[in-house]
Amino acid sequence: KNQVEQSPQSLIILEGKNCTLQCNYTVSPFSNLRWYKQDTGRGPVSLTIMTFSENTKSNGRYTATLDADTKQSSLHITASQLSDSASYICVVSDRGSTLGRLYFGRGTQLTVWP
Amino acid sequence: EADIYQTPRYLVIGTGKKITLECSQTMGHDKMYWYQQDPGMELHLIHYSYGVNSTEKGDLSSESTVSRIRTEHFPLTLESARPSHTSQYLCASSQLDATNEKLFFGSGTQLSVL
Repeated sequence: KNQVEQSPQSLIILEGKNCTLQCNYTVSPFSNLRWYKQDTGRGPVSLTIMTFSENTKSNGRYTATLDADTKQSSLHITASQLSDSASYICVVSDRGSTLGRLYFGRGTQLTVWP
Repeated sequence: EADIYQTPRYLVIGTGKKITLECSQTMGHDKMYWYQQDPGMELHLIHYSYGVNSTEKGDLSSESTVSRIRTEHFPLTLESARPSHTSQYLCASSQLDATNEKLFFGSGTQLSVL
């Protein structure tokens, strides 16, 4: 069964600290993996997209890694800010149509305290 | 910032009412989608469209219907709302770039049926 599992479910950190969010997937075949940030009451916003051949991709203070062999990805946030408080969603796309079918994780709810 | 708009942002209505959730995008995207999301849960695809006069049902069974008469407009209608329809509804559109299809989300409509 194609699934995307994220951990932890929720995380609280202090402002300025780093954190790492995990994503494990069983989706096959695999096309790409995306990380989205979703603020409360808003739609998700894309942070990174990685294909099979990419091991790491950065977007400012966000760095995503991908190990396609173990089917694991992580999102590392450096020097966290209050505005980083949000849900971070891992999404995996299989092959097929140009978009493929998207499998969504339930997200990690990150809270950054001052 | 994605140019995709949803109205209303919040809607509270009584059981049995007919409602239409509006979604418009000014990016000229052919593909548009409707997702349903409950708190702490993953997004579920309920409808999608590959272009004008094209509509398909998604993975999650839904009593709603959609139409695509114009490229920029993809409204979702519930003929008779029930409390089980209470959820957040997210509209999205996608664009193919050099290597991947990028998905852009609206801010969502939070629907509460009493």
